[in-house]
Amino acid sequence: DAGVTQSPTHLIKTRGQQVTLRCSPKSGHDTVSWYQQALGQGPQFIFQYYEEEERQRGNFPDRFSGHQFPNYSSELNVNALLLGDSALYLCASSRGDRGLLEQYFGPGTRLTVT
Amino acid sequence: AQSVAQPEDQVNVAEGNPLTVKCTYSVSGNPYLFWYVQYPNRGLQFLLKYITGDNLVKGSYGFEAEFNKSQTSFHLKKPSALVSDSALYFCAVRDTSNTGKLIFGQGTTLQVKP
Repeated sequence: DAGVTQSPTHLIKTRGQQVTLRCSPKSGHDTVSWYQQALGQGPQFIFQYYEEEERQRGNFPDRFSGHQFPNYSSELNVNALLLGDSALYLCASSRGDRGLLEQYFGPGTRLTVT
Repeated sequence: AQSVAQPEDQVNVAEGNPLTVKCTYSVSGNPYLFWYVQYPNRGLQFLLKYITGDNLVKGSYGFEAEFNKSQTSFHLKKPSALVSDSALYFCAVRDTSNTGKLIFGQGTTLQVKP
């Protein structure tokens, strides 16, 4: 049973560029949440997708956008990259159970903005 | 607003000794609490959760956590630490919205010395 997978593992971008990160949820899961983990910090919630719609959004600017596909996989897009966007981006999947069950996290994508 | 505090940046214990990693929370309503562990360059791994019921929750790898409502605490414990338990530990509380987004503490680094 494959767990949550994310690609790419590492990414280096220049300020002002755009980036797309990808996530495939654990088998049987239909909900995908994205978190940003800055160095030395706990993960911060970006947004959650369920039934191909954004269900909730954290305190992140509109430069952060996402998408969920019919097979439940998801993308996170960040436009006009800033140095402060450098972080580990974590994808977590769960069933649409309103959070009573645990979220399973992928290994993350390390984004470096120079 | 919901929040989680992990008062210790680092906990040092000797192998074979009991360990405790502290967590306090602030929520409106009943808390849903989680512990995750993160190894270097890895995503978060679920350890255990408290939803309701017995105040002592048992989880993976011999870890357990004690829920204390009066002290609003959810401390992670293990009777006998292993060197391989050395990692970064995060306490999280479920948001009261219908998405179940997680609000994480800052994390505590556990160092187990031989």
